[in-house]
Amino acid sequence: SQQGEEDPQALSIQEGENATMNCSYKTSINNLQWYRQNSGRGLVHLILIRSNEREKHSGRLRVTLDTSKKSSSLLITASRAADTASYFCATVFQGAQKLVFGQGTRLTINP
Amino acid sequence: NAGVTQTPKFQVLKTGQSMTLQCAQDMNHEYMSWYRQDPGMGLRLIHYSVGAGITDQGEVPNGYNVSRSTTEDFPLRLLSAAPSQTSVYFCASSYSFETSPQETQYFGPGTRLLVL
Repeated sequence: SQQGEEDPQALSIQEGENATMNCSYKTSINNLQWYRQNSGRGLVHLILIRSNEREKHSGRLRVTLDTSKKSSSLLITASRAADTASYFCATVFQGAQKLVFGQGTRLTINP
Repeated sequence: NAGVTQTPKFQVLKTGQSMTLQCAQDMNHEYMSWYRQDPGMGLRLIHYSVGAGITDQGEVPNGYNVSRSTTEDFPLRLLSAAPSQTSVYFCASSYSFETSPQETQYFGPGTRLLVL
């Protein structure tokens, strides 16, 4: 399978702490994207990082990409209860016209 | 803009029945796709389309058909429903799969399908 693998599968932290999720993949990519899914809802795009980029920021989100290790991380700083959701990485492999999702990390922020 | 809409929200089928899940977008997006999501899992790509008249298979296409006669609509057909097709189905669209920064996928709210 070309799916990305996410780690950890579940993460529970206290409000205000930082949350880090990791994504690894197997083949060369064009870009890697992170999405959030609140329970029972559709996915919402968070951030896209291209294969020639190493780091991107969006508000409290920081994404890094290490193409030599075929891995990416998503950092959410100063977490809030509203950040409770599942987070998925998705990759567009070189030469492909499809987006392949990982299995996700379930993040719980405890008040 | 309504974005990506999916109908129905919920459907119960008996084994062997057929049905069509509807997906429409009003953003003039070229690229549309269907995913299924099973409990505790990520999304798996069923079929996708890069434009009207062009479709291709994803990771799990068996048991599903698609067509793309217009830019706006991308229906997913279950020909003979099986219990293994019980899942939540998501439709997504984007402007293009070619041009930055337009690969962001916009997702519909999903259709929950139960096959008995």
